[in-house]
Amino acid sequence: EDKVVQSPLSLVVHEGDTVTLNCSYEVTNFRSLLWYKQEKKAPTFLFMLTSSGIEKKSGRLSSILDKKELFSILNITATQTGDSAIYLCAVGVNSGNTPLVFGKGTRLSVIA
Amino acid sequence: DSGVTQTPKHLITATGQRVTLRCSPRSGDLSVYWYQQSLDQGLQFLIQYYNGEERAKGNILERFSAQQFPDLHSELNLSSLELGDSALYFCASSAQVTSGNTIYFGEGSWLTVV
Repeated sequence: EDKVVQSPLSLVVHEGDTVTLNCSYEVTNFRSLLWYKQEKKAPTFLFMLTSSGIEKKSGRLSSILDKKELFSILNITATQTGDSAIYLCAVGVNSGNTPLVFGKGTRLSVIA
Repeated sequence: DSGVTQTPKHLITATGQRVTLRCSPRSGDLSVYWYQQSLDQGLQFLIQYYNGEERAKGNILERFSAQQFPDLHSELNLSSLELGDSALYFCASSAQVTSGNTIYFGEGSWLTVV
């Protein structure tokens, strides 16, 4: 059974700190790994990492994919209170009818 | 705004009742996905439709059913509701049918069963 595990489940940091969120996976026929940010309701897309794109960066957020060790990390530098959210990791496989498999998420709280 | 529209945003109903949740995908997207999110289970995939046809089925209860109409909007029907069905129900859409691609979520429908 395909599995995605995120750690830690929750995290509290102070503004300005750097945080690293982890996502490990066990899937058959890996295709992609996606990160989403869920603030109040709808998860919003952050990054997609594939074999041809194992590192992505956008502002203070960056992510890498290690296909050999089957994990990804999401880094957030100089955290702000607006970064407080649940961060979801999802994995897609090379199978026409298999939906994304989501981890349970990491709840990040950034305090002033 | 992802472009995916869900209604209603909030719904309170009694056990044993039936409700219908509605989703309009992003313009041009042919795939629609339904997910259930509860505090302890995270995002659980329910069902996927592509251009009107069912393409994948997840942990969807027999009391639940869905369909996608010719105009590509989708409805999720939940019947004989139980307290445990209280959750946030998300619809998501994507242009492709193949897996592993980015999907875009609506704001969700918060269902409370009392």
